[in-house]
Amino acid sequence: DVKVTQSSRYLVKRTGEKVFLECVQDMDHENMFWYRQDPGLGLRLIYFSYDVKMKEKGDIPEGYSVSREKKERFSLILESASTNQTSMYLCASSLYPTSGNTIYFGEGSWLTVV
Amino acid sequence: AQTVTQSQPEMSVQEAETVTLSCTYDTSESDYYLFWYKQPPSRQMILVIRQEAYKQQNATENRFSVNFQKAAKSFSLKISDSQLGDAAMYFCAYRSTGANSKLTFGKGITLSVRP
Repeated sequence: DVKVTQSSRYLVKRTGEKVFLECVQDMDHENMFWYRQDPGLGLRLIYFSYDVKMKEKGDIPEGYSVSREKKERFSLILESASTNQTSMYLCASSLYPTSGNTIYFGEGSWLTVV
Repeated sequence: AQTVTQSQPEMSVQEAETVTLSCTYDTSESDYYLFWYKQPPSRQMILVIRQEAYKQQNATENRFSVNFQKAAKSFSLKISDSQLGDAAMYFCAYRSTGANSKLTFGKGITLSVRP
């Protein structure tokens, strides 16, 4: 089974802090994604990476950055956390769509910014 | 850009009955993938079923089946013999076939199952 692991399930951070959310997948997937989930808004794409050191902005990249130095790891960075970034963050991974189109998700990271 | 619309925020079904969840999408592409994901209270997203647009046959997975109408850009999910464990949020999603394609989600529908 594919496993996508988000190391921090619940975090509480202060406004202005730098926050790292880590995600690791164990299936040699090229594509990795970070989504944000808010009530009534569904899942919105923040950033995705289609290979090591490659990244592309999603629909709501403002206030976020990402890092992908190794194929299995994709990090989401909040440079200066704000209260409107309180949310649940979901990491996901997949092969290239031409090889396998299903996207697999981690269990989510609940972030509260106070 | 592709969009996915789930117009019903909530639905309810009696246990053992059948329910259909609606989804429409907008795209100019001819080949793509469509998915239904289930998100129970644990928040783990679980793939329920997927459909490849070039396949005319509707996908089926046990009690779950889809009605894929490509011309109408409609992709509904039918759950037969509903069980209490089916209660969850359900998301419809679209993915194009390009190498760098992302998954675009609808806003989801909350399904409750009455015992």
